[in-house]
Amino acid sequence: AQSVTQPDIHITVSEGASLELRCNYSYGATPYLFWYVQSPGQGLQLLLKYFSGDTLVQGIKGFEAEFKRSQSSFNLRKPSVHWSDAAEYFCAVARPGAGTALIFGKGTTLSVSS
Amino acid sequence: NAGVTQTPKFRILKIGQSMTLQCAQDMNHNYMYWYRQDPGMGLKLIYYSVGAGITDKGEVPNGYNVSRSTTEDFPLRLELAAPSQTSVYFCASNLPQGDQPQHFGDGTRLSIL
Repeated sequence: AQSVTQPDIHITVSEGASLELRCNYSYGATPYLFWYVQSPGQGLQLLLKYFSGDTLVQGIKGFEAEFKRSQSSFNLRKPSVHWSDAAEYFCAVARPGAGTALIFGKGTTLSVSS
Repeated sequence: NAGVTQTPKFRILKIGQSMTLQCAQDMNHNYMYWYRQDPGMGLKLIYYSVGAGITDKGEVPNGYNVSRSTTEDFPLRLELAAPSQTSVYFCASNLPQGDQPQHFGDGTRLSIL
């Protein structure tokens, strides 16, 4: 069965430091992968997506992610974190046979210290 | 540009009561979804619909029902509310192609007491 694992429940980084959020997926074919961000009390906003082609994808707010098939990973990165990046981040893979519903990881909460 | 609109934003129910969570989208999206989000668990799919009149169960459908009479609306019905249904509910929609991202509403926070 398809699944998504986000190994880190909570990460704290200093403002201006670099960030990497880990995501591993289990899926037989080439996956459709997404990263979403959720601010407190809000819905989910798409950061970026990967379907095919270039394995390094650029998203909004200065985020990027790299698809590594050999490691079944899709890690999210940002070179310099801003205080406004504090939020919960979800990695997801499209679920086959259910429209294009998503299977989500459990999320990683990012805190930014000054 | 409203996108996906969910009502109400908050609700408290007593055990055994029923209610309908409303979801409407104005983007002419064929596909719509209901997810529930529990702390530390991510989002799980309750029901989905690929068009008016077509719905199907997701991962956690028990205790819920849906209907899809129009492209725009996709209400979620709780018939006999139970404490286990305390959660945040999100509605989402997208176009049929697999590379089309889902657009999410702001959620309905539901407490069953």
